[in-house]
Amino acid sequence: DSGVTQTPKHLITATGQRVTLRCSPRSGDLSVYWYQQSLDQGLQFLIQYYNGEERAKGNILERFSAQQFPDLHSELNLSSLELGDSALYFCASSRQPHGDANYGYTFGSGTRLTVV
Amino acid sequence: KNQVEQSPQSLIILEGKNCTLQCNYTVSPFSNLRWYKQDTGRGPVSLTIMTFSENTKSNGRYTATLDADTKQSSLHITASQLSDSASYICVVSHSGAGSYQLTFGKGTKLSVIP
Repeated sequence: DSGVTQTPKHLITATGQRVTLRCSPRSGDLSVYWYQQSLDQGLQFLIQYYNGEERAKGNILERFSAQQFPDLHSELNLSSLELGDSALYFCASSRQPHGDANYGYTFGSGTRLTVV
Repeated sequence: KNQVEQSPQSLIILEGKNCTLQCNYTVSPFSNLRWYKQDTGRGPVSLTIMTFSENTKSNGRYTATLDADTKQSSLHITASQLSDSASYICVVSHSGAGSYQLTFGKGTKLSVIP
């Protein structure tokens, strides 16, 4: 157990629908990062939050949004889902806003989203 | 454009043999380089992290090297075990726009067979 908790583990939904993925960071970590991993692709950075504030943005679609709550858990909202959104969505956390050079990022086990 | 290229894409080796995975990057400015192991359907787990000044770092049977001049890194696995079967991902951290970001390689899929 990495200490980063993601729920649900699996999600199957229809095109056009909206889903919310949840991430609880490791205890003491203030930064949360969201990544998308499509089949046979590398992880793509979506967005980062640090202590409740958006810190950095990657290739996140306008249909996707995220937020980090006062208790530091984060949610990734995906709307108007398309077949191409099917992927593994990973959350990672770190203590510092830019990751920790010694300890790095800690990843959760991911949420597998299947859009049918 | 920041890129991380890994080779080979996939590799099959016999249990007990050694292997070396390669990573070339064009990320700038460089902060650090990490190797992760990702089991199928699981999140990546950190193996090593190296900063600009480090040439080599070991973690058990895993040894990573870094040549910052040629922007190349390698991950050497010694005496492979069946449990080493996984994807190995090279990740380069770089700063920009007031923050740090990671650029991920697509990984090398390693299969260790009996």
